[in-house]
Amino acid sequence: GAGVSQSPRYKVTKRGQDVALRCDPISGHVSLYWYRQALGQGPEFLTYFNYEAQQDKSGLPNDRFSAERPEGSISTLTIQRTEQRDSAMYRCASSRSTSEYNEQFFGPGTRLTVL
Amino acid sequence: KNQVEQSPQSLIILEGKNCTLQCNYTVSPFSNLRWYKQDTGRGPVSLTIMTFSENTKSNGRYTATLDADTKQSSLHITASQLSDSASYICVVNKLGRDDKIIFGKGTRLHILP
Repeated sequence: GAGVSQSPRYKVTKRGQDVALRCDPISGHVSLYWYRQALGQGPEFLTYFNYEAQQDKSGLPNDRFSAERPEGSISTLTIQRTEQRDSAMYRCASSRSTSEYNEQFFGPGTRLTVL
Repeated sequence: KNQVEQSPQSLIILEGKNCTLQCNYTVSPFSNLRWYKQDTGRGPVSLTIMTFSENTKSNGRYTATLDADTKQSSLHITASQLSDSASYICVVNKLGRDDKIIFGKGTRLHILP
């Protein structure tokens, strides 16, 4: 596609429910990143993949958060047993290669609200 | 500790005026530094990337500077326009296999007509 897409754009869920957020990177992009962004703040790094391999998950806040990219393309960020503090904008970005010099292209984000 | 600090937190200026945003970092070893512009409700978009050997880089009315010795960068906006109203985020990449990306909290810029 033309850019990074994410779905759903908005998700409202009740505390304790699991949610799965999807990211479709730009076709052919090797690296895929997940970020969480609170209102008025810069993005907070969660995890990233090169191809299907998860390279760094040190930013995941706790073990309720997990991510996968089984075929090296689409990625899913899963939050189990959601809590109100998980409410935020979750953004995905992709870049052409694994080089740290490559620009990341960001998706529109999924706004998660946990009631 | 790898950190990126931006100042000011927010800034309001009149259309047509110039402004300068600051970014100080403690990331080491340093690979590169990017300035992103993020419009409200949109994802960040890269404005410039600077590596260790670069001191200044321009992108239209945006000029970024880098002093790798003092670990400071600035983003200067000339002749501001209403469309410059956005958050400007400084992002530093850490060199090496331990590929860390550290984001600043951003400066929120408001341009008044």
